[in-house]
Amino acid sequence: DQQVKQNSPSLSVQEGRISILNCDYTNSMFDYFLWYKKYPAEGPTFLISISSIKDKNEDGRFTVFLNKSAKHLSLHIVPSQPGDSAVYFCAANAGKSTFGDGTTLTVKP
Amino acid sequence: DAGVIQSPRHEVTEMGQEVTLRCKPISGHNSLFWYRQTMMRGLELLIYFNNNVPIDDSGMPEDRFSAKMPNASFSTLKIQPSEPRDSAVYFCASSSQGGVYGYTFGSGTRLTVV
Repeated sequence: DQQVKQNSPSLSVQEGRISILNCDYTNSMFDYFLWYKKYPAEGPTFLISISSIKDKNEDGRFTVFLNKSAKHLSLHIVPSQPGDSAVYFCAANAGKSTFGDGTTLTVKP
Repeated sequence: DAGVIQSPRHEVTEMGQEVTLRCKPISGHNSLFWYRQTMMRGLELLIYFNNNVPIDDSGMPEDRFSAKMPNASFSTLKIQPSEPRDSAVYFCASSSQGGVYGYTFGSGTRLTVV
């Protein structure tokens, strides 16, 4: 039973446009949610998080939205840059973090 | 701080051999996690420690896997005997404050068992 799902294995966007990455979860006990970015041959790097009591958190070009009723969160990157090309992991935490399978984002110049 | 340090970066071993992966967490972090990444199963948590004490080892695949954290600055993950299906990238991560600000991952150890 996969508790955290990223249904889109890949996403391609044009530089300057918005990238929207999606994540669904099943466990209502998760108390906060995180996004990580991963480049090849490196470990994941923490990007942004959101508590379950909030519905939005913003940090520069990155915004995470949480819809608890739908058990859905999304990461918006505006504007997208070629350097944002990476694998993005969604994670949900309840004492420990459970990760989705990742979405590969490609930002084309 | 140099971040989370894992060694070795790459390990190639023959089936049946013992493999030991090492991790040095960030100083001051009180939680340490071992994850394994494979194409089939993604990033899966194997075990985690709080204040050097194992809290949840439910992700450890079987008795061939063991992990220790003898002090706050060092942890090992041992596989004995190793099998080809253990081939994966193994990540160590550490965190403080319950991980609210995310985990800091090492660069991983790519293990190949032939």
